Amino acid sequence: AQTVTQSQPEMSVQEAETVTLSCTYDTSESDYYLFWYKQPPSRQMILVIRQEAYKQQNATENRFSVNFQKAAKSFSLKISDSQLGDAAMYFCAYYVYNQGGKLIFGQGTELSVKP
Amino acid sequence: EAQVTQNPRYLITVTGKKLTVTCSQNMNHEYMSWYRQDPGLGLRQIYYSMNVEVTDKGDVPEGYKVSRKEKRNFPLILESPSPNQTSLYFCASSLSSEVYYNEQFFGPGTRLTVL
Repeated sequence: AQTVTQSQPEMSVQEAETVTLSCTYDTSESDYYLFWYKQPPSRQMILVIRQEAYKQQNATENRFSVNFQKAAKSFSLKISDSQLGDAAMYFCAYYVYNQGGKLIFGQGTELSVKP
Repeated sequence: EAQVTQNPRYLITVTGKKLTVTCSQNMNHEYMSWYRQDPGLGLRQIYYSMNVEVTDKGDVPEGYKVSRKEKRNFPLILESPSPNQTSLYFCASSLSSEVYYNEQFFGPGTRLTVL
């Protein structure tokens, strides 16, 4: 069964600094998709970034980028120039083909940003 | 405004009292699903619907029912709620189950407490 693990329940970063959130996953599939979602205190789930497993190039979205290591089954999120508005719970998720469009989520990492 | 709405946003109820959490989307999406979010477990899929009249179980369907009589609505029904169903619930929708390609939109969440 596919699993997603976020081993850091909480992280903290100073404003304007860089922080990396870790995510590992377990799958026997060769083709899949990975996502990072942000959940601010409003509880809204916001898609931050996604990565296709067949692409070697790491995805980037403005200050957000990923380090995708397929062989190691690792998918970390780097946030550069952290801002107060980045404070949120971050979830890593894996998309499962042919299983009803299901996303498998990790446990979440609570990120705090210090001014 | 394109959105997924859920009602109620907050609910406190007692064991055994039937309740329904409504979900509605205005984007003409075919695919809808329900997740529950619990601390340390992330989000887990309860039920999903590929299109009208087609629904299927996710990973944690016990104690829940759904129906999809209209494309826009996908209510979650708890026939006899129990305290272990205390959780944060999210409805989500997308154009299709290929959520790697079609972004999945999440509702604002419903905080349910069962006493």
